[in-house]
Amino acid sequence: NAGVTQTPKFQVLKTGQSMTLQCAQDMNHNSMYWYRQDPGMGLRLIYYSASEGTTDKGEVPNGYNVSRLNKREFSLRLESAAPSQTSVYFCVISTGRNSPLHFGNGTRLTVT
Amino acid sequence: DQQVKQNSPSLSVQEGRISILNCDYTNSMFDYFLWYKKYPAEGPTFLISISSIKDKNEDGRFTVFLNKSAKHLSLHIVPSQPGDSAVYFCAVGRYSGGGADGLTFGKGTHLIIQP
Repeated sequence: NAGVTQTPKFQVLKTGQSMTLQCAQDMNHNSMYWYRQDPGMGLRLIYYSASEGTTDKGEVPNGYNVSRLNKREFSLRLESAAPSQTSVYFCVISTGRNSPLHFGNGTRLTVT
Repeated sequence: DQQVKQNSPSLSVQEGRISILNCDYTNSMFDYFLWYKKYPAEGPTFLISISSIKDKNEDGRFTVFLNKSAKHLSLHIVPSQPGDSAVYFCAVGRYSGGGADGLTFGKGTHLIIQP
């Protein structure tokens, strides 16, 4: 999924630990998103950023914070990880309103 | 309450036959509908879309049908090929109300193409 780079690809945390998921795009788009995917739950929006300097909550924001550092980068932070945050996290960019989304390859996070 | 439902968690189809994946939505305000395909260990990729002004959109082997009165859309794959084995998500949204932040995804259907 060229254009959207997520790091790390895998991470294991203990309950209470913190970490930041990084996302960078080279497609020069304004809108960036963080989704999580859980078995049987589909894709759920955590936070999004319509442009540099703005962020908004999605469907499941609790336990997360985000930073839109610049136009290229949008990070997702877990301050105190919980087992319920075990999931696959996708960084996503959009070329515009209602246009097809471009997904990164995901970060698989396990919280024990 | 689910706004977008994909009632079949999995579907098995023989190679060469037609695969039909279904999606139902509840909000009649939705007017933009998309299908995404996901392979293991990869992010979903956009497959095909349709707006509410149409009832059919075709792209090669893939056709999406929209029945607005029934609030139902379906994805047809003809003929099915082994590389079509993947999880398929439908997503719905509104042109007027929001951007991608307005998209709601179904839970996905795992399509398995058998040789």
